[in-house]
Amino acid sequence: NAGVTQTPKFQVLKTGQSMTLQCAQDMNHNSMYWYRQDPGMGLRLIYYSASEGTTDKGEVPNGYNVSRLNKREFSLRLESAAPSQTSVYFCASRRELNTGELFFGEGSRLTVL
Amino acid sequence: EDKVVQSPLSLVVHEGDTVTLNCSYEVTNFRSLLWYKQEKKAPTFLFMLTSSGIEKKSGRLSSILDKKELFSILNITDTQTGDSAVYLCARARNSGGSNYKLTFGKGTLLTVNP
Repeated sequence: NAGVTQTPKFQVLKTGQSMTLQCAQDMNHNSMYWYRQDPGMGLRLIYYSASEGTTDKGEVPNGYNVSRLNKREFSLRLESAAPSQTSVYFCASRRELNTGELFFGEGSRLTVL
Repeated sequence: EDKVVQSPLSLVVHEGDTVTLNCSYEVTNFRSLLWYKQEKKAPTFLFMLTSSGIEKKSGRLSSILDKKELFSILNITDTQTGDSAVYLCARARNSGGSNYKLTFGKGTLLTVNP
């Protein structure tokens, strides 16, 4: 059971380049999330999607766009990368029943030069 | 403001010690309080707390919530080197309809030395 899969795991970009982080989950969860993690800052929510076809901004959405392609997939796009977007990005999906916890992917380390 | 504050930010102990990690939060639309452990990669779920005063326990780890004073603690007894990790606290709140948002604290870095 793969859980939450993110690609790529590592990426180096130059300022101004664009890229898309892909995320897929195989647990049939409705809700999916994108977080970024910076040293000393914890996890900060970028965007989330409560269900297929809906997306909402989190704490730090500027410079990002998202697409909920279908129930399984939720992508994060950087249209014009900036050094401030150097971070580790985590995708997560949420179990609606029982504990309601988030399951995280293994993260994507992005460096913008 | 939707804040979750963890303390201490870092802690170094010796194997066998008992540690207590703290998490305070703001109350708006509170739904639950979650604890995660993060080693090298993705955070992994430890506990979810919704009711005051009811301890959740798993082996040497336990956690409790105080909804009156708006805080939670995570206790680890007889610490081992494998407990070394960042421990994250997160507050879940409803944000309209079926929306559900987790706000994380900055984490506590625990180092357990042999």
